[in-house]
Amino acid sequence: GAVVSQHPSWVICKSGTSVKIECRSLDFQATTMFWYRQFPKQSLMLMATSNEGSKATYEQGVEKDKFLINHASLTLSTLTVTSAHPEDSSFYICSARSGGIQETQYFGPGTRLLVL
Amino acid sequence: GQNIDQPTEMTATEGAIVQINCTYQTSGFNGLFWYQQHAGEAPTFLSYNVLDGLEEKGRFSSFLSRSKGYSYLLLKELQMKDSASYLCAVMDSNYQLIWGAGTKLIIKP
Repeated sequence: GAVVSQHPSWVICKSGTSVKIECRSLDFQATTMFWYRQFPKQSLMLMATSNEGSKATYEQGVEKDKFLINHASLTLSTLTVTSAHPEDSSFYICSARSGGIQETQYFGPGTRLLVL
Repeated sequence: GQNIDQPTEMTATEGAIVQINCTYQTSGFNGLFWYQQHAGEAPTFLSYNVLDGLEEKGRFSSFLSRSKGYSYLLLKELQMKDSASYLCAVMDSNYQLIWGAGTKLIIKP
């Protein structure tokens, strides 16, 4: 149980294009989903927290107009990197949590984004 | 401020035991998590402690002392596949996860 999937696993795109990453909880309903970014050899950095049906809460320094998050259902959240630039190249990881706020976060496999 | 400290890197021998420590200073405490992250992959959940004491799960055990702001992850009978980063994370009073930088564990034959 508690499986989270992400799609795509790899993205290579040109600078200026937009990229959408999907995060799905496959066998549970995720009331809260989290989006992280991880640069090589660095710790996870929380970008935003999204609750189903409401606007995402962004961490300080994360541009909400650049990183659009939609949590339209209890099993799906999307992150769209708009007008991607090479500095946005990173490993993007989502996690999902069911039920109560003390519930464990389960991570998706991550999406590696390379912007040329 | 909030702070999670864990060693940057540790080396151990296959078949041995290793203990990875984590100390924390956070605004409130609602549990401590350990995650394993292999290079190039997302983290996977290992353990959750909210009460003092030792939680054992197969070859892995996790210990918590809330009064000391201290936890450790104990790995027994080390295998080569245990080479990974181990992340300590504390849930604070706002139920936000505060992440440590991770401990890279290198297993040698």
